[in-house]
Amino acid sequence: AQSVTQPDIHITVSEGASLELRCNYSYGATPYLFWYVQSPGQGLQLLLKYFSGDTLVQGIKGFEAEFKRSQSSFNLRKPSVHWSDAAEYFCAVVFSGGYNKLIFGAGTRLAVHP
Amino acid sequence: DSGVTQTPKHLITATGQRVTLRCSPRSGDLSVYWYQQSLDQGLQFLIQYYNGEERAKGNILERFSAQQFPDLHSELNLSSLELGDSALYFCASSTQGTGNTIYFGEGSWLTVV
Repeated sequence: AQSVTQPDIHITVSEGASLELRCNYSYGATPYLFWYVQSPGQGLQLLLKYFSGDTLVQGIKGFEAEFKRSQSSFNLRKPSVHWSDAAEYFCAVVFSGGYNKLIFGAGTRLAVHP
Repeated sequence: DSGVTQTPKHLITATGQRVTLRCSPRSGDLSVYWYQQSLDQGLQFLIQYYNGEERAKGNILERFSAQQFPDLHSELNLSSLELGDSALYFCASSTQGTGNTIYFGEGSWLTVV
């Protein structure tokens, strides 16, 4: 079955530290891949997306993500975390033939220590 | 600001009641989506409309229905409400095409008491 997995429910990092949030998908082909962020009481904001081409994609707010076909992964990274990055992060995919329907992972809640 | 507008932002209602959530998509977007976010189910796709026609259905209960009007705004109707329907309901929109960016509104918080 098609699915998206975010193995880490909760991550805590210190401000200034690097960050990597994991995302894996289960699908026979390469889906369209997205990362969204949800700040408390806010809607979902797109950080970045991958369709094809260069497997390292740059997004807003200093985030980047790398697609690894062999691992069916699309991990989100940031070299230096700021306190304002504390939020919930969702990996999402659109599978081909899926009418642009986003399938979300369970989310990873990021806490940032000063 | 994503350009997707949802009303109301907050709603408290009693069990058994019916509510309507309203959504205005981004200018030019023909596709509208509804999602439900709850603590136990996470973000679940409910339904998608394209230019007034239902395009895809997800985990939408029979007590729920939606429609997209000629001016492209959409409404999600929730009836016979139960405590478990308490959730954040998102509307989103996009242009036509698989993989096109989907823009989300800020959501409508529904509390059923």
